[in-house]
Amino acid sequence: AQKVTQAQTEISVVEKEDVTLDCVYETRDTTYYLFWYKQPPSGELVFLIRRNSFDEQNEISGRYSWNFQKSTSSFNFTITASQVVDSAVYFCALVNSGYALNFGKGTSLLVTP
Amino acid sequence: EAQVTQNPRYLITVTGKKLTVTCSQNMNHEYMSWYRQDPGLGLRQIYYSMNVEVTDKGDVPEGYKVSRKEKRNFPLILESPSPNQTSLYFCASSKGLAGEGEQFFGPGTRLTVL
Repeated sequence: AQKVTQAQTEISVVEKEDVTLDCVYETRDTTYYLFWYKQPPSGELVFLIRRNSFDEQNEISGRYSWNFQKSTSSFNFTITASQVVDSAVYFCALVNSGYALNFGKGTSLLVTP
Repeated sequence: EAQVTQNPRYLITVTGKKLTVTCSQNMNHEYMSWYRQDPGLGLRQIYYSMNVEVTDKGDVPEGYKVSRKEKRNFPLILESPSPNQTSLYFCASSKGLAGEGEQFFGPGTRLTVL
């Protein structure tokens, strides 16, 4: 069985603060893929990143960065200098067999001015 | 523009009245799927399709049907909707299997069954 846990249900920060969203996954497979999606208040799902299990290199994209650690089965997402527009629900997801994205329950991030 | 479209975007209906939510993609993707999103539960897969005429159940298929007669279209059918099917529905497509690349999601269909 595979599972994705996002323990933080809601996070509230003040603009310009850094914030890390945690994602812990469980899988027995050696080949798998991890994703992060953003769901802004408008409701659509926005793809942020895809990482395969053989690539543990951390990634930075502007104010966004991702820390993938197989040793702790974590794929955490950090927003540096948060902005109001970052307010959204963020989902971490796992794929192993290829037939479905297994989503975590999401973390709702509120960034206030 | 590469996109996944869903119609309708919003629907209020009554118990037992058959409905279809359409999904279409213009990217020539083989793989398509349907998810439902419920508060506190995240997104769960309903059905998926590997290609034309090939469909299979996801995690929560009860009460739903799908068909894949054409590569671009993947409609979701609720033969006899019930209130527990009130949810936000997303269609998704990708070129290969779900992990091999980005899954493109439609804008969502908010369904209310009274």
